[in-house]
Amino acid sequence: TQLLEQSPQFLSIQEGENLTVYCNSSSVFSSLQWYRQEPGEGPVLLVTVVTGGEVKKLKRLTFQFGDARKDSSLHITAAQTGDTGLYLCAGARGSNYKLTFGKGTLLTVNP
Amino acid sequence: GAVVSQHPSRVICKSGTSVKIECRSLDFQATTMFWYRQFPKQSLMLMATSNEGSKATYEQGVEKDKFLINHASLTLSTLTVTSAHPEDSSFYICSVQGGTGSNQPQHFGDGTRLSIL
Repeated sequence: TQLLEQSPQFLSIQEGENLTVYCNSSSVFSSLQWYRQEPGEGPVLLVTVVTGGEVKKLKRLTFQFGDARKDSSLHITAAQTGDTGLYLCAGARGSNYKLTFGKGTLLTVNP
Repeated sequence: GAVVSQHPSRVICKSGTSVKIECRSLDFQATTMFWYRQFPKQSLMLMATSNEGSKATYEQGVEKDKFLINHASLTLSTLTVTSAHPEDSSFYICSVQGGTGSNQPQHFGDGTRLSIL
């Protein structure tokens, strides 16, 4: 059972377009993290959201944590070719340090 | 700078060889580290939780005798793939919890690409 549903799994867009990636769950998470991974490298942390309803911005990236802390979204404005990569959401629950990962979104931004 | 150092980055070896992968925490004293496995274009799959000074906790379906984990110090965990076979070929990644508290993010190593011929 996939506790964290991430969509879409694949996304190919043109440079300059906007996009949104979603992570949804029926479970409540104490925090949710977004990572970006390039081929042959480990995931790099983009943001951690902790409070329900929280919105965080990182340049052209906007992250939102749902009010009930069950879902999150990542919105990229005016995508650039450098945004290409695998985006992963991961949720933490309670005092358990283990992360539950979504299946990932493979984003390709074409010039 | 890097928070987690993972070595080696790439291993190619013959079937039947045992391979050791090291994961070092550079910035934190890590009582807990995690080992993941990742197939191409897929997400990370947690294999085990490495606990300093005690036995690792393995996820369901992961053979503990196949994937030996040793966490002898607060900065080093090792994963040994014993008698590796081609089906063990994968990308192995370790992570370190960045401080205390479950809301602290995990920091990942750069991974080890294991190819068994």
